[in-house]
Amino acid sequence: DIQMTQSPSSLSASVGDRVTITCQASQDISNYLNWYQQKPGKAPKLLIYDASNLETGVPSRFSGSVSGTDFSFTISSLQPEDIATYYCQQYGNVPISFGPGTRVDIK
Amino acid sequence: QVQLQESGPGLVKPSQTLSLTCTVSGGSISSGGYYWSWIRQHPGKGLEWIGYIYYSGSTYYSPSLKSRLIISIDTSKNQFSLKLTSVTAADTAVYYCARDLGAKGYFDYWGQGTLVTVSS
Repeated sequence: DIQMTQSPSSLSASVGDRVTITCQASQDISNYLNWYQQKPGKAPKLLIYDASNLETGVPSRFSGSVSGTDFSFTISSLQPEDIATYYCQQYGNVPISFGPGTRVDIK
Repeated sequence: QVQLQESGPGLVKPSQTLSLTCTVSGGSISSGGYYWSWIRQHPGKGLEWIGYIYYSGSTYYSPSLKSRLIISIDTSKNQFSLKLTSVTAADTAVYYCARDLGAKGYFDYWGQGTLVTVSS
């Protein structure tokens, strides 16, 4: 099974800050990586698919990129409504697996 | 607008079988290209993919749960179901059903989730 790691596990930033989360896979997954946002008590929401494609209706301040085997997720200008936990998820191999999550708070 | 809704007991005794159903509305479960999935989240923890079923009945299960798991589909009712046998406290979690486009972990629609507690 492919193991996913994320860093940091949590972060606190100010409104308007640029926030970046990184994700690594234990094996090559090409660009088969998605990013989800989960707010407390809610189901996750797909934000980014195939590493860098913005899901329809998702604000453009969210973005994803890949460099080699390293994946990044960025919020260009943090907003109060972005308080959530963010998960990367790979589908390069079944079983599908998620990263442990990054909790984002407002400073 | 596609909607998914989980239903089933919120409390299951250890060693018994956990049974949940996901009812899909606003779209046909028989639409090709979609894989109907179960995902769970242990309290305060991350997400764990359980498995999926295609409208044809073909399934793929997480190896860690495969020996205890059955996912089935009823296209006439637009529902799919999960049965997990021999449960323990470690199976206590919020269980989500979700639609996966192309078996790519592209979960575009989710149920609200249902908490299942395993306890005597």
